[in-house]
Amino acid sequence: KAGVTQTPRYLIKTRGQQVTLSCSPISGHRSVSWYQQTPGQGLQFLFEYFSETQRNKGNFPGRFSGRQFSNSRSEMNVSTLELGDSALYLCASSLATQVDGYTFGSGTRLTVV
Amino acid sequence: DQQVKQNSPSLSVQEGRISILNCDYTNSMFDYFLWYKKYPAEGPTFLISISSIKDKNEDGRFTVFLNKSAKHLSLHIVPSQPGDSAVYFCAASPVGSGNQFYFGTGTSLTVIP
Repeated sequence: KAGVTQTPRYLIKTRGQQVTLSCSPISGHRSVSWYQQTPGQGLQFLFEYFSETQRNKGNFPGRFSGRQFSNSRSEMNVSTLELGDSALYLCASSLATQVDGYTFGSGTRLTVV
Repeated sequence: DQQVKQNSPSLSVQEGRISILNCDYTNSMFDYFLWYKKYPAEGPTFLISISSIKDKNEDGRFTVFLNKSAKHLSLHIVPSQPGDSAVYFCAASPVGSGNQFYFGTGTSLTVIP
């Protein structure tokens, strides 16, 4: 079966711009979570969506937002980009609860210049 | 504040020997733990999990040990193979948090043939 698909794979943006990243979960998975990975910081939790509702939110500024559609596809948006937003953004999907574990996509590499 | 810590950024092991990767956590509300493996340019892949009601879980060459009193988790790989060379992340989830996981910063394992 198809895995978690993230688009685009690579992105270069300028400071001050905004960006939208997309994630298509595994069919049947209703939970989609987003993580930011930077060197030395590991994976930092951004937010989780379940059945189109944000269920959990990490400690990131309001410039980071997301949404989930009725088909479970999710998007995350970062407005007013800063150089420090350069990172690998990973999307993960799962059936419902923590015991299911995640399946991660390959990520979107965002570079802010 | 890093609630899940992997204090060894890297580890080298000879092929056929045991690899032991360690993880410490600070939050006593964590009740579910996972290990992920990550190759370059790919998303993390789920390896093995353990619930706080257990102290050991095995899956083939991989065994995870949990010491709740010490708030310590370890992953044993026996025997180690060159294909195990990757970055390993431990992750923990608090009770009732849905799918929010706290990740460590990762340990890069190199298995030398």
